[in-house]
Amino acid sequence: EAGVAQSPRYKIIEKRQSVAFWCNPISGHATLYWYQQILGQGPKLLIQFQNNGVVDDSQLPKDRFSAERLKGVDSTLKIQPAKLEDSAVYLCASEGANTEAFFGQGTRLTVV
Amino acid sequence: RKEVEQDPGPFNVPEGATVAFNCTYSNSASQSFFWYRQDCRKEPKLLMSVYSSGNEDGRFTAQLNRASQYISLLIRDSKLSDSATYLCVVNRVTSYDKVIFGPGTSLSVIP
Repeated sequence: EAGVAQSPRYKIIEKRQSVAFWCNPISGHATLYWYQQILGQGPKLLIQFQNNGVVDDSQLPKDRFSAERLKGVDSTLKIQPAKLEDSAVYLCASEGANTEAFFGQGTRLTVV
Repeated sequence: RKEVEQDPGPFNVPEGATVAFNCTYSNSASQSFFWYRQDCRKEPKLLMSVYSSGNEDGRFTAQLNRASQYISLLIRDSKLSDSATYLCVVNRVTSYDKVIFGPGTSLSVIP
């Protein structure tokens, strides 16, 4: 079974620039999560989709972060403009009915 | 107070030692519980689910105390390959599943 795919693996940008991350979940998984993991901390949920609808974006900094999941499959997460404190690993996870959450390898973002 | 809290760590133990990780959660509506393992620079992966009756998988034992809102993970006969960060995960169902990760506890098993 193919896992959760994310790209790019690494990204370095200057502050105030824009960046986008892409996630392809496991086929058939209705739930998709985006997490931000800062070094030394546990993953923090940014946004959760159920199919193509948002069910939780309470911790998403909406002034600069946006996410969409068109057609309930792939998802993109965008940061515009980036700040130094956005440097982190951005993890995408998907979950099906009666399964645990499976994570992609993440995108390591460095904002300089 | 964070919804899920764990021992701050790091834990540095010799090979063969027994080590226990503790986790507490604040919301009594939480319904399912897991331990995930995260290797350095890798993604988290499910280690085991935690059941009310307690469960064991080889050298790993997980226990849940709903009354105290407390979860534990015991690792016996530690191996070098057990070195990782262990994440306590709590699932609270409202109109949707809300999955909350603890901050993690780092374990280093030393030869």
